[in-house]
Amino acid sequence: DADVTQTPRNRITKTGKRIMLECSQTKGHDRMYWYRQDPGLGLRLIYYSFDVKDINKGEISDGYSVSRQAQAKFSLSLESAIPNQTALYFCATSDPRQGGYEQYFGPGTRLTVT
Amino acid sequence: GESVGLHLPTLSVQEGDNSIINCAYSNSASDYFIWYKQESGKGPQFIIDIRSNMDKRQGQRVTVLLNKTVKHLSLQIAATQPGDSAVYFCAVSNSGYALNFGKGTSLLVTP
Repeated sequence: DADVTQTPRNRITKTGKRIMLECSQTKGHDRMYWYRQDPGLGLRLIYYSFDVKDINKGEISDGYSVSRQAQAKFSLSLESAIPNQTALYFCATSDPRQGGYEQYFGPGTRLTVT
Repeated sequence: GESVGLHLPTLSVQEGDNSIINCAYSNSASDYFIWYKQESGKGPQFIIDIRSNMDKRQGQRVTVLLNKTVKHLSLQIAATQPGDSAVYFCAVSNSGYALNFGKGTSLLVTP
């Protein structure tokens, strides 16, 4: 969905490096999410934010941190990357005020930690 | 916590046939259910959703059925087309909080 953009789309980094993944949305949604997808495991929630001042841990937050810089921007950081954080990362947005709980996903960032 | 599972990791159907993809969930308090389609190299795309006060909802060529008694959800795709080949995920939620995703079923449509 072009309304949700993620940068970079692909990234290779070394163990121990700090890396930031960025997400921007033009949908005007209050809620934003970061998920991780591994083969055969579906999507797992890392962090979510219901507004700029609200940050919540998801199922697998260890080793990650987030920042909600504005309603439209939500970034995910790996303070010290490790190989088992190699995965596909998705940002998503939603806004129940606009009718439903469905989440709209960005195109994903493929992260490889060597 | 919520456990969401799909019965089959892969499903192969012939073009023109109907497809049925199943999903089971564990939390009886779940009140919102949604299906996503994910094509290779793309993010999940919303297909259809249903709330717990309904047991059936139809879209264009898709139908979602909800059986709260046995905590089972299914997605039916009518007249399956090659463009329907993708991975399909179900997800459930309680009162609009975070979605819990199943592991996905890979649908392969053969000519």
